[in-house]
Parts: sequence; C-alpha cells; structure tokens
Amino acid sequence: EAQLVESGGGLVKPGGSLTLSCAASGFTFGSFSMNWVRQAPGKGLEWVSSISTGSGYKYYPDSVRGRFTVSRDNGRNSLYLHMNSLRADDTAVYYCVRDVDGNGGFDPWGQGTLVTVSS
Amino acid sequence: QSVLTQPPSASGAPGQRVTISCSGSRSNIGNLYVYWYQQLPGTAPKLLIYRNNQRPSGVPDRFSASKSGTSASLAISGLRSEDEAEYHCAAWDANLSGPVFGGGTKLTVL
Repeated sequence: EAQLVESGGGLVKPGGSLTLSCAASGFTFGSFSMNWVRQAPGKGLEWVSSISTGSGYKYYPDSVRGRFTVSRDNGRNSLYLHMNSLRADDTAVYYCVRDVDGNGGFDPWGQGTLVTVSS
Repeated sequence: QSVLTQPPSASGAPGQRVTISCSGSRSNIGNLYVYWYQQLPGTAPKLLIYRNNQRPSGVPDRFSASKSGTSASLAISGLRSEDEAEYHCAAWDANLSGPVFGGGTKLTVL
C-alpha cells in the first residue's frame, strides 16, 4: 500500500526558513510526479509545488515562487520542500501527495505536517 | 479566494441525495479532468473521484460525479452519517501548470 509520511514542520519566525521532508513507501517513488499541497487553518486546499520524476520540471504558484524550492531523492524515496522568507500567510498544514495520473489526481495524501509562522 | 467555486455548505437527511457543484473556467475544468476529494474531520483529504467520474476501488457507488463545460458536480445518494465531511473539487489549470482547488463544501448529515 502506498504511503507518505511528512516531517519537519514546526514554529518559525517571519522571514525564517524551514525544510519539510516526505518519506514514501509501498510504490515505485521514482515513477511518479510528486507535489506539495497546503491547507491554512479553516481554509481550502492550495497547491504549492510539483516536481517531475527526474526533477527536470518544477512548478510553483506565484504565492511561493522564488521562496520555496521542491526537490527529491529517488534513491532515498524522499521528497523535500525548502521554504525561505516565510510569512504569516504560509501558516498551514503541508501535505505530500503523489500524482497518480499525471493530471492532478492526488493519491495518497500524507498525514500532513503543521508549519506555523509567528513571532 | 479559491479559483474554483463551491458552495460553502450543503446538507441532507440520511437516505437523501445531495449534490455539490463546482464552477471553473476554460483553463481548468473546461480544459481537462475534474477530481473530488473527501476530507473527514481532522484527517487528510482522500481521492474520491478521478478523471471526472471514475471511482477508485473502495469508494461506494453512492458517490457519482459529472462534468459539463466549465462546471462539475458531485452527487451522493443514500446519505449516511459517515459521509459528513468536507468535499473539495480540483482541476489542472493550463495557465498555472498546476492544479487549482475549490474552497471546499462542508456536508452536514441532518
């Protein structure tokens, strides 16, 4: 069974940095594009980044472009999100997700890791 | 402000049928597939419908979905208490090169 487990969340001051990790198991990690999706408290879902199987393509929405960097290590079955210049509106639960059909069908979702940006 | 538009809430009595709408544009819903996710209270979202109307294994056939033009809808028949959850629609956006989501619809089973 495919499984994703995020880690690395926590409390960080505005302007600070944080790196999230996601450990994948139960499937051939290197065969799937991977994404990060976040959910601010009481809000809807927001796509944060995507990375292709070989890391050749990386995409971000305007809200995080230039501040967040997605990377992966297929040998370690791991996905990462490096977050810089964090702002209060980056506060959210961050989910690691697998794109099962290359068109945005996300399954499974990890349990999420909470990032709180506050002074 | 979410790119896709969903009603914030919906409700129905046990056994009834309820529908949830999702409205977008030509660059997203009108361009490719629609997906629906179910988020039970306090848990991560789960894929409920993929590629407009396909159910992953394990999802009951009480859940169905359709798409027409730049809109989509999710229907739940034979409503049960365990269906009480937040439902999110999503679609790939050609302008964004990434997916966009609706704001979520909180379903209450009366």
